Amino acid sequence: EAGVTQSPTHLIKTRGQQATLRCSPISGHTSVYWYQQALGLGLQFLLWYDEGEERNRGNFPPRFSGRQFPNYSSELNVNALELEDSALYLCASSFPRVRGYEQYFGPGTRLTVT
Amino acid sequence: RKEVEQDPGPFNVPEGATVAFNCTYSNSASQSFFWYRQDCRKEPKLLMSVYSSGNEDGRFTAQLNRASQYISLLIRDSKLSDSATYLCVVNPGRGSTLGRLYFGRGTQLTVWP
Repeated sequence: EAGVTQSPTHLIKTRGQQATLRCSPISGHTSVYWYQQALGLGLQFLLWYDEGEERNRGNFPPRFSGRQFPNYSSELNVNALELEDSALYLCASSFPRVRGYEQYFGPGTRLTVT
Repeated sequence: RKEVEQDPGPFNVPEGATVAFNCTYSNSASQSFFWYRQDCRKEPKLLMSVYSSGNEDGRFTAQLNRASQYISLLIRDSKLSDSATYLCVVNPGRGSTLGRLYFGRGTQLTVWP
């Protein structure tokens, strides 16, 4: 069974530009979560999508946004990029409300902002 | 106060050793608990869920103490391949925290030959 996939693997942008990151969940999972892991820091929750709707949002500015498509894949958009947005962005998927929101992670997209 | 606190280590142990990691969580109403492992520059992988009665998976044993808000992971007969960062993870599971996982900063383990 295929795991969570993310693209691109690496992304290099300059300050002020926009970045789009993509995620495909494990087949059958309807929930997608986004996390940010900055260098030397722990994982920080960004967004949760389930059945096409945003269900929860972490403490990030509105320039971090996303959506979930009918096939449950998801996109994270980061507008007006800042240097401190450089991080590993991880997507996870799960069956919602099953086994305590047990989540499975993709390999991540490493975003570098110069 | 952080949601999840862990001793960052590092723990350096020889092959075959037994090693224990601990973490504490701040939200007494938390619903579910996990241990993940993360290898350098890779994604976290679910190691095991932690149940109230304690649970074991091969060489790994997890315990939960709700009264003390404390979670532990015991690794017996350590292998070189156990070298990784171990993340204590909590899901408060209510209201504004629904669906989100809170991660500890991780405990680094190195197993040497």
